[in-house]
Amino acid sequence: ETGVTQTPRHLVMGMTNKKSLKCEQHLGHNAMYWYKQSAKKPLELMFVYNFKEQTENNSVPSRFSPECPNSSHLFLHLHTLQPEDSALYLCASSQVGTGDYEQYFGPGTRLTVT
Amino acid sequence: GDSVTQMEGPVTLSEEACLTINCTYTATGYPSLFWYVQYPGEGLQLLLKATKADDKGSNKGFEATYRKETTSFHLEKGSVQVSDSAVYFCALSDSQGAQKLVFGQGTRLTINP
Repeated sequence: ETGVTQTPRHLVMGMTNKKSLKCEQHLGHNAMYWYKQSAKKPLELMFVYNFKEQTENNSVPSRFSPECPNSSHLFLHLHTLQPEDSALYLCASSQVGTGDYEQYFGPGTRLTVT
Repeated sequence: GDSVTQMEGPVTLSEEACLTINCTYTATGYPSLFWYVQYPGEGLQLLLKATKADDKGSNKGFEATYRKETTSFHLEKGSVQVSDSAVYFCALSDSQGAQKLVFGQGTRLTINP
């Protein structure tokens, strides 16, 4: 595997379900990000993790719960979602401290909440 | 705070036409500037970048020049192809030191044969 991978690629869940999205980066980076991409707001930053510590939470509802067990893996735990949470969820990684701000993105998980 | 404004889309062109997608930014410091591209069904890929004023980023026939005096980073290509159909995002690095990017709203480009 190379780059940033995300699983599953597609997910359909009911409003009462609990599911998790997984992201893994194979680039040796030390920062990881979750973004939400929808028609209404094209690219919203949700969470930032630097060295496994959460450094940013952009007023994301508590029904989204991130977890970063190590610098290579990032999860987004989902529970009691709403239909408006249907979107493409993108994971990204970067290397903090080098002055290079480039982020590398995964292919995304297309989430549909029914 | 920092912000990025892109030209409204969608943009539809014929193959071999010239392309310009406008991008202007507001930042208090000296950000790096990026263009990302998103092909259908995929995540974002870095297309090109520039790290300081007057730098020109280029890739796959696309170019953009970091213009500090006009706070702009317009994306240009002399002759577009059908395969260039995608959504293009302009972005800047946060000028307050936070390790994050600020994205524009994206411009959908469709190239007809």
